[in-house]
Amino acid sequence: GAGVSQSPRYKVAKRGQDVALRCDPISGHVSLFWYQQALGQGPEFLTYFQNEAQLDKSGLPSDRFFAERPEGSVSTLKIQRTQQEDSAVYLCASSNTGEAFFGQGTRLTVV
Amino acid sequence: QQQVKQSPQSLIVQKGGISIINCAYENTAFDYFPWYQQFPGKGPALLIAIRPDVSEKKEGRFTISFNKSAKQFSLHIMDSQPGDSATYFCAASEDSSASKIIFGSGTRLSIRP
Repeated sequence: GAGVSQSPRYKVAKRGQDVALRCDPISGHVSLFWYQQALGQGPEFLTYFQNEAQLDKSGLPSDRFFAERPEGSVSTLKIQRTQQEDSAVYLCASSNTGEAFFGQGTRLTVV
Repeated sequence: QQQVKQSPQSLIVQKGGISIINCAYENTAFDYFPWYQQFPGKGPALLIAIRPDVSEKKEGRFTISFNKSAKQFSLHIMDSQPGDSATYFCAASEDSSASKIIFGSGTRLSIRP
C-alpha cells in the first residue's frame, strides 16, 4: 500500500477484555515502531522492531502489553486484560533509512 | 522525566503572522530533531527535520533554528495560513531511522483568518 495502514480504526473494549491491534507497514520498510498517544499528549514510544527482531520494548507499560512481527512485515500489538488507563490512540510507524511514516492510529476506548 | 520540553501549549496567530514554537532537550546523545504536524484523526506527519551540525534549516515557509550549546530548537512558520492550524510536535532521537523518537507534549496552533 501507499502508506502505513492500521486496523481497526476504532475499538471499544470492556475492561478486562483482550484486544489485538494490527499494523501494515510500508512495503519493504525494515523498522517498525509502536507509540501510545493519550488525549492531548505527544506520542510515547512503546516498542521497536527491526525486521522480525524486537530490539527495544522498554516503553511497554506492563506485561499486559505484547507486540510481535513474526515475518518482518505486519505487526500486532496485543493488550491483555485491558484497563481504563489503556484508553489512547495507538500509532504505528515504519521507516527505512530516514523518515518515519505514521499510520492514522487505532483509537482504543476501554469502558 | 520529560526529555523534550515544548512551549507554548497553545498558540493563536493572525493570518500572515509568524508562528513560533520552542523546544528544549536534555539528552546530548540526540542527533536528529524532527518536527511533526498532526491534524485531528490523523497520524503525525514529518514537517521538517534538522541535525545538530547546522544552526538553521529552511523549507518554504518553515524554518528550524537550532542552538546546540543551549540545547534548544524552535520552529518558525512564516506567513501563517489557516491551513497551518494543527498540533505541532517537536521531537528528538539518537538515530533517525533506528531509534525511538521522543516527542514533546505538543502545541495546538490556530491561525485566525
